[in-house]
Amino acid sequence: NAGVTQTPKFQVLKTGQSMTLQCAQDMNHEYMSWYRQDPGMGLRLIHYSVGAGITDQGEVPNGYNVSRSTTEDFPLRLLSAAPSQTSVYFCASSYGVASGSTDTQYFGPGTRLTVL
Amino acid sequence: AQSVTQLDSQVPVFEEAPVELRCNYSSSVSVYLFWYVQYPNQGLQLLLKYLSGSTLVKGINGFEAEFNKSQTSFHLRKPSVHISDTAEYFCAVIPQGGSEKLVFGKGTKLTVNP
Repeated sequence: NAGVTQTPKFQVLKTGQSMTLQCAQDMNHEYMSWYRQDPGMGLRLIHYSVGAGITDQGEVPNGYNVSRSTTEDFPLRLLSAAPSQTSVYFCASSYGVASGSTDTQYFGPGTRLTVL
Repeated sequence: AQSVTQLDSQVPVFEEAPVELRCNYSSSVSVYLFWYVQYPNQGLQLLLKYLSGSTLVKGINGFEAEFNKSQTSFHLRKPSVHISDTAEYFCAVIPQGGSEKLVFGKGTKLTVNP
């Protein structure tokens, strides 16, 4: 198993550009999520999905869109990039769907995004 | 809502010394507790988790954590650290019977010096 994969590893954008961060998992996990990591802030949840066709907002959803058309893929779209979106983005997945899941979340290696 | 406080943002220690990374949480319901580790330029991986039962939980790489319900704490310990333990450590909670959403602390950067 490849686990959770993310592409690209690095990206530089200009303000106002759009792009999609890709995330895929091959573990048949129902739950997938996107986090951003900023120095001194820990990880903050952007969006998450409990299964194909179902998404919801996390703590910091503004400026990002997601969709989940398949179990495997969960892309994150930046509609109009801003310098405040400079961050490291992590995708994660887990088996759990039922409330209060205790399943381990598996993280991808991250995408380092710089917006100029 | 849940919150997690990691009391130290940075912890420098010498190799072979013991270390404790502190984590306190706040929640109106019972929670499950996790410690994740992030090595430089990598994603996060699970170190250990507390679900129920014994309050002392053993994880990978010789780490252990103790759940203290009365003090709402879940401190991480290792009796003797190695240079390779240099990493950032994150405490996280999920409410029991609640959502899937992990709530993370801000992280503690452990630096092990020779």
